[in-house]
Amino acid sequence: TQLLEQSPQFLSIQEGENLTVYCNSSSVFSSLQWYRQEPGEGPVLLVTVVTGGEVKKLKRLTFQFGDARKDSSLHITAAQPGDTGLYLCAPCYGNNRLAFGKGNQVVVIP
Amino acid sequence: EAQVTQNPRYLITVTGKKLTVTCSQNMNHEYMSWYRQDPGLGLRQIYYSMNVEVTDKGDVPEGYKVSRKEKRNFPLILESPSPNQTSLYFCASSFLSGQPNEKLFFGSGTQLSVL
Repeated sequence: TQLLEQSPQFLSIQEGENLTVYCNSSSVFSSLQWYRQEPGEGPVLLVTVVTGGEVKKLKRLTFQFGDARKDSSLHITAAQPGDTGLYLCAPCYGNNRLAFGKGNQVVVIP
Repeated sequence: EAQVTQNPRYLITVTGKKLTVTCSQNMNHEYMSWYRQDPGLGLRQIYYSMNVEVTDKGDVPEGYKVSRKEKRNFPLILESPSPNQTSLYFCASSFLSGQPNEKLFFGSGTQLSVL
């Protein structure tokens, strides 16, 4: 059984600050997705990373896939209130099924 | 507009009264799935379907049934709901290209309360 942990569970910051959240697995995964979920809505895909060490940027969001393929991070630069949401990591462990983490709840205060 | 549509958005029912939550997608996706989301437990997969007439159990299938008679529809059936099935439910769909991590499209959710 793979253990999947997202940290911190909750993070509150002021607008304009930077933040980083993490996704760590006890097992190697073949690829990973990050989703953002806003209140009252379903998760929406932000990015898919497939190569160990890969870095992808989406405007002010930077996603990194660890070299060992067991971890990933999401860094937000100059956070905006619109970045508020629950960030979910979803590794694929090679059986073509996603496992979702419990999420990082991010609140950006104007 | 490409979307996954769930109905109803909110449902309050009583223990033992059979209910169905509908899910429909207009993207011709092969793969469809149901999740429940609970505080502290995250998103957990209930059932999934790789194509018409093909369904498989996810991580928490007990107390649920599904069917996939048509490609676009994937209803979730609770034959005898119990209070521990009170949860936020999401339907999702994607193409099945054989590649891992196809983009999942989620519905807006169904908040179910079983009294």
